[in-house]
Amino acid sequence: QKEVEQDPGPLSVPEGAIVSLNCTYSNSAFQYFMWYRQYSRKGPELLMYTYSSGNKEDGRFTAQVDKSSKYISLFIRDSQPSDSATYLCAMSAFGNNRLAFGKGNQVVVIP
Amino acid sequence: DAGVTQSPTHLIKTRGQQVTLRCSPKSGHDTVSWYQQALGQGPQFIFQYYEEEERQRGNFPDRFSGHQFPNYSSELNVNALLLGDSALYLCASSLLGDEQYFGPGTRLTVT
Repeated sequence: QKEVEQDPGPLSVPEGAIVSLNCTYSNSAFQYFMWYRQYSRKGPELLMYTYSSGNKEDGRFTAQVDKSSKYISLFIRDSQPSDSATYLCAMSAFGNNRLAFGKGNQVVVIP
Repeated sequence: DAGVTQSPTHLIKTRGQQVTLRCSPKSGHDTVSWYQQALGQGPQFIFQYYEEEERQRGNFPDRFSGHQFPNYSSELNVNALLLGDSALYLCASSLLGDEQYFGPGTRLTVT
């Protein structure tokens, strides 16, 4: 079983729709949870950084962490064509800087 | 404020050759981590440098080595290149234990 599972299936949504992405994980030591956005042939850009369970909102982005279910989510409201990118979940344990990534979700927002 | 920079942008090498990739961290950051991202996959942790020493290492062979300089910049060296080493190599900088910010990557092609 991989440490971090992220269904890599491409996701196409119309402009203005809500995008919902999620990851599951198996390592109960993970305490820090991140979402990165990666445009084609570019480096990942940090979008959201959360610690432990709960919700965090930043503009149109909301990150949710449910440690009891080992499940994290990212929601993008009012999606824009500029949101078209690959979204990677990542996580790490306390005292351990190694980031464990999911495979990434390719999102296409259609105008 | 310059973010994380990497050089070169692209590189083409032949099997068996050696390569050196370079990274300059974001201003104020003291920790550099290297990741390998194969096409369609999430980044995989190679190793991390702090105070000029390798602090953590992922599941990569000894052909992969690195260095951190007193100004916190870093190099990744790969010896005896294999076709399977073709990937995007990403450098991330941080303050130890804090969020990691990625550079644009170096795309390595081994022929």
